[in-house]
Amino acid sequence: DGGITQSPKYLFRKEGQNVTLSCEQNLNHDAMYWYRQDPGQGLRLIYYSQIVNDFQKGDIAEGYSVSREKKESFPLTVTSAQKNPTAFYLCASSMRRLLGSYNEQFFGPGTRLTVL
Amino acid sequence: AQTVTQSQPEMSVQEAETVTLSCTYDTSESDYYLFWYKQPPSRQMILVIRQEAYKQQNATENRFSVNFQKAAKSFSLKISDSQLGDAAMYFCAIGGAQKLVFGQGTRLTINP
Repeated sequence: DGGITQSPKYLFRKEGQNVTLSCEQNLNHDAMYWYRQDPGQGLRLIYYSQIVNDFQKGDIAEGYSVSREKKESFPLTVTSAQKNPTAFYLCASSMRRLLGSYNEQFFGPGTRLTVL
Repeated sequence: AQTVTQSQPEMSVQEAETVTLSCTYDTSESDYYLFWYKQPPSRQMILVIRQEAYKQQNATENRFSVNFQKAAKSFSLKISDSQLGDAAMYFCAIGGAQKLVFGQGTRLTINP
């Protein structure tokens, strides 16, 4: 089955530690995205990548880093510089936007990160 | 910059009734799309319906339809014959050249 997987489902981190969230897709999508979801604030874009070896900052990139070495993988690292990392993290992917088309995003099941 | 505003944090409706969720947006782009996503308690995001901004005809998907008012920058979602499985968070989103911007969501409760 084609889809997006995120692991782990739950993640606990001590303050001061970096942690990496995994996102893998087998939909052959070019574009991938990371969102953060906090209660009452909807989804906010952290980073996105339109093609391999290229990515752009979203609205709340500070304290996060990403890499895009393979088309199917887009890992997110939450660094110790992120002051309030406890949140729900969602990964998404889509076909690369062509003029006149729409870029429906397909979402993974998410990772709940808790800082202890 | 694009913004999306959902002014109703919570809504409730009786089963089998009709409910409308509001959404307004702002954008400087001429080519964009609008979406409604549903997030049930499982937290999986599910696309409900989409609307191309260049189309005047309102999109419909079974019991779900939109009222797209481009001049007013309004994009409301109507759910007819509400079912218990419709209970979820609903997010309005606008898609421009590269990314989506989401509203803060409306929590919909279905009363049996």
